[in-house]
Formats: sequence, structure tokens, C-alpha cells
Amino acid sequence: KAGVTQTPRYLIKTRGQQVTLSCSPISGHRSVSWYQQTPGQGLQFLFEYFSETQRNKGNFPGRFSGRQFSNSRSEMNVSTLELGDSALYLCASSFVGQGSGNTEAFFGQGTRLTVV
Amino acid sequence: AQSVTQLGSHVSVSEGALVLLRCNYSSSVPPYLFWYVQYPNQGLQLLLKYTSAATLVKGINGFEAEFKKSETSFHLTKPSAHMSDAAEYFCAVMPQYGQNFVFGPGTRLSVLP
Repeated sequence: KAGVTQTPRYLIKTRGQQVTLSCSPISGHRSVSWYQQTPGQGLQFLFEYFSETQRNKGNFPGRFSGRQFSNSRSEMNVSTLELGDSALYLCASSFVGQGSGNTEAFFGQGTRLTVV
Repeated sequence: AQSVTQLGSHVSVSEGALVLLRCNYSSSVPPYLFWYVQYPNQGLQLLLKYTSAATLVKGINGFEAEFKKSETSFHLTKPSAHMSDAAEYFCAVMPQYGQNFVFGPGTRLSVLP
């Protein structure tokens, strides 16, 4: 069973540009969550998508957005990049079904974004 | 809001010694609790989880954790450290089923030969 795939693994962008990151969840998983990891702030929740709908959102500015496609693949977009957006962006996929009781999340290897 | 604290941002142990990584959560209602490990330039790997079944949870690689409601703690232990255990460890809570994780700040474990 293939794991969570995030592409690209590394990105270097210039301030003011925008970037799109991709996440392919484990087959059958309908929930995809995104987290930002930085040395200063640790792991912070960005948003979660379930069946193409944003279900939860963290405390990030509107420059951070996402979407989920019918095949559960998800993308996140950051517009007008700032130096502080440099981070490891992690995607997690979960099977969250009614009564499934399954809380486990599987993480991808992340995309390392560097803004210069 | 739910919060997680991990005592000690960096813990060093000798190979073969006991590993104890501390985690406390803030909720009065027991949430779902997790320990994840992260190796350099990698994502997070689940070590173990507590979901209101047995209070002593066994995970992979010889790790286990005990849920203590009275202390709002979920400390991670391993009887004998191995060099390959050197990594960063994150405690996380899921306040309610299906909600997002709230992570602790992490503890970097070093294993000395």
C-alpha cells in the first residue's frame, strides 16, 4: 500500500511569488490535513479537507489556501510569499469514516519550502 | 484551547539506558493521545496512540506510554535506548474524534555511545 506522497520535496521561491504544493493521500483515505513546521513555532495546523470540503482551518492568513479533488488529492497554495513562510509543510492522510474509530494519521515526508 | 507540553526540549541518554520523554495535556476531558517520531528530513511516524482502551499502550520499536488521567500525562518510555532512537519526538492530542492534532513542541532525543 503506497504511503502519502508529497511533491515536490524541495522548493526555493522568491519573496512575493506564489507556490503550490501537492499531496496524494493513501488510497481510500478521504481526509487530508496540512501542517506547517518551523523551528520557532513547531507544528501548526493549517487546514483539513474531507470529501473536497474544508472542514477545519487553523489560524493562518488568507494567503494560505487549499483544495481537494474528487480523487482526494490535495493542494495547498501560498500567495505573496514572505521569508517567514520558509518551513517544512507536512500533509497527513486519514481514514475518517462514520463509526470507524480510526484516528490514525499518516504523514508524508513533507515539502521543504525556502523563501529567499 | 487544548495545549500540549513536553518537558525538556533536548534529552540525552546513554545507549542501553532508560528513555523517558514527558508529555502533559491541558484538557480535563481525556482526548485521543499520540506519540510521533521524526527523523531528519522526514515526515512523522506514529509510535503509538491512546484511544480510551488500555491505559498502558505499547507501540513500535519497544516504546510504550502510560495514560494517567489524574496527572493529565502521557509519558513515553523505552527500557533500553538504542542509537537508532535518536530523533525528535512529538506528543499530540486530538481533542475530539476527527479533529486536527495539536502537537507539543517536541523533544530531541540524543543517544550517547
